[in-house]
Amino acid sequence: GAVVSQHPSRVICKSGTSVKIECRSLDFQATTMFWYRQFPKQSLMLMATSNEGSKATYEQGVEKDKFLINHASLTLSTLTVTSAHPEDSSFYICSAREPLGEEGYTFGSGTRLTVV
Amino acid sequence: QQQVKQSPQSLIVQKGGISIINCAYENTAFDYFPWYQQFPGKGPALLIAIRPDVSEKKEGRFTISFNKSAKQFSLHIMDSQPGDSATYFCAAKGQAGTALIFGKGTTLSVSS
Repeated sequence: GAVVSQHPSRVICKSGTSVKIECRSLDFQATTMFWYRQFPKQSLMLMATSNEGSKATYEQGVEKDKFLINHASLTLSTLTVTSAHPEDSSFYICSAREPLGEEGYTFGSGTRLTVV
Repeated sequence: QQQVKQSPQSLIVQKGGISIINCAYENTAFDYFPWYQQFPGKGPALLIAIRPDVSEKKEGRFTISFNKSAKQFSLHIMDSQPGDSATYFCAAKGQAGTALIFGKGTTLSVSS
């Protein structure tokens, strides 16, 4: 089946620094990837839709200048949390839709970001 | 407005019992309804999914029941096992290529 690889799985950074999270589709091309954020014991909240070769579409309330998304190739999307603050600490998960098959959306294993 | 409402928030089931989780939606444009299982610190994994032209789908111990007129769908886990203890999310999708919209999740604990 489709595999989405997400790295790193855990990262701790100092307040004010930037962190980049990578999301790769390993065995299929993903023209669209999705970035979610999940706080403890809560659901997945869509942050943005990443489109290959074009600007990402952000959900209402998500700061596009803070959460930079780049989808430079059909297999790689990156999320950069800029000038991170403790309130940005969360579990970030990417997802990609396999173009063939029954519309399955495959998720990465997530990145636990802790800002200290 | 929450587009997919999920209940219960938590569920405790005896080993061998049936776990039932319910979801309701409002948007009739939704055309794909998956269920995901998530273990702590991991990303969600697809369990089973259904389209609105089917009333039931079964895969192993997992069954989705879908009621289009009531705009409700449910997950049944038969012969629940301790290894099924996880958080379950229902979701829905509208237009092609759009993101999934998730329910709030149900934490299932199966006691041995």
